[in-house]
Parts: sequence; structure tokens; C-alpha cells
Amino acid sequence: AQSVTQLGSHVSVSEGALVLLRCNYSSSVPPYLFWYVQYPNQGLQLLLKYTTGATLVKGINGFEAEFKKSETSFHLTKPSAHMSDAAEYFCAVSKGGGTSGTYKYIFGTGTRLKVLA
Amino acid sequence: GAGVSQSPSNKVTEKGKDVELRCDPISGHTALYWYRQSLGQGLEFLIYFQGNSAPDKSGLPSDRFSAERTGGSVSTLTIQRTQQEDSAVYLCASSSWVNEQFFGPGTRLTVL
Repeated sequence: AQSVTQLGSHVSVSEGALVLLRCNYSSSVPPYLFWYVQYPNQGLQLLLKYTTGATLVKGINGFEAEFKKSETSFHLTKPSAHMSDAAEYFCAVSKGGGTSGTYKYIFGTGTRLKVLA
Repeated sequence: GAGVSQSPSNKVTEKGKDVELRCDPISGHTALYWYRQSLGQGLEFLIYFQGNSAPDKSGLPSDRFSAERTGGSVSTLTIQRTQQEDSAVYLCASSSWVNEQFFGPGTRLTVL
């Protein structure tokens, strides 16, 4: 069975500081991995995804994540936090469709990022 | 182009009443998903449609929950005899065969 663990339900950083949001997964097959961001009273917006190929993935708003198979991790980083980054971030894993066509995501419980002025 | 839309955006109902939540996916997206987001609980998968069929209903929490999709497009999630624990944000997402889900803004359901 697949699962996702996000360490830290709340993370606070100062404006301009490094953002590091942690995600570890378990999967019996090569996973597809995603980070989504949710701003207050809005739906989820895709930040970035890893399917195959390069393990360092760049996304929108200056975020990036690195797939580390040996560590079963997919941590999200941004070199310099901005006030507008304050939101909730969700990591998700999917087995991918293939012939089954099942793209069900398993989400982590989310990390709420607070950016301090 | 238009994204995923959901209606209503907010729904307040009394315990025991039935509610219907609607999702309009992105045009051409064959797959549609329903999730429930409860406070502090993350996102919980409810059901998945491929076309009009639902190969995975494993997340529906009880037989009070049902969903249908007609014409390979609009989907309706129905909760019968609502309970207070049903209060949550219900999110819909759609995807094509490239395995990226696009989410709607959600419906916030409050059961009094």
C-alpha cells in the first residue's frame, strides 16, 4: 500500500529564509509524486510533479523538489521565502495509470507554512 | 479555458437532510475524482470515475454516500441523511491521461 508522511503540520520561516517542507512516501512500485499548494478558501494548485526522468524537478513560484529513491523522499524547497508563500502544502503519491488507468492520489496531511516579516 | 467548477460553494444543512454537490470537470477530461477535506485531516479519497463508470469507490465512508457521472462530464455527489461528521470541504478534480489532477475550489458543507 502507498502512503505519504509530511513531517511538521506547521512550519514557520522568516521572509527571505530557506523553505524546506518534508515529504516521505512508501510505494511498492515506482511512484509519481506531486506537491500541491492550497491558498485560503481555494482549491489545490499543482506546484510540481515527478513522473520519470530528472530527479530534480522545478515548479512554479521558485519551488523545487528532489526525488531521492534511496531515502524515499520528495522534499519541497525554495531558497527565499516570500510573504505570498504562506499557504498549506500537500504532498501526494500516485501509482500512475498504466493499463489500469487508476490515478488515485494518496495525500499527506498537509503542512501549513507561515512566513514571518 | 475554464477550470473545474463546483457548486454550491457553501452549503449549510440540517442533520438528517440530503444534499447534492455538483462538479463540472474540465472539458475533455475523462477522469473525475471526489475528495473530502476535513479540518486537520488532509485529503481523503472518496471515489474515482473513468468516463461514466466508477472503478474505484473504495473511499466512500458509508452507504449514505453515492456519486454518479453522466455523459462523461458532470458528476454529482449525494449524501443522504447527513450527519455532523459529514461537515467538511468536498473537492472535485479531473484529469486526462497525463496523470495530473486539476482541482475545483470545493464545496464547504456544514451540517448543523
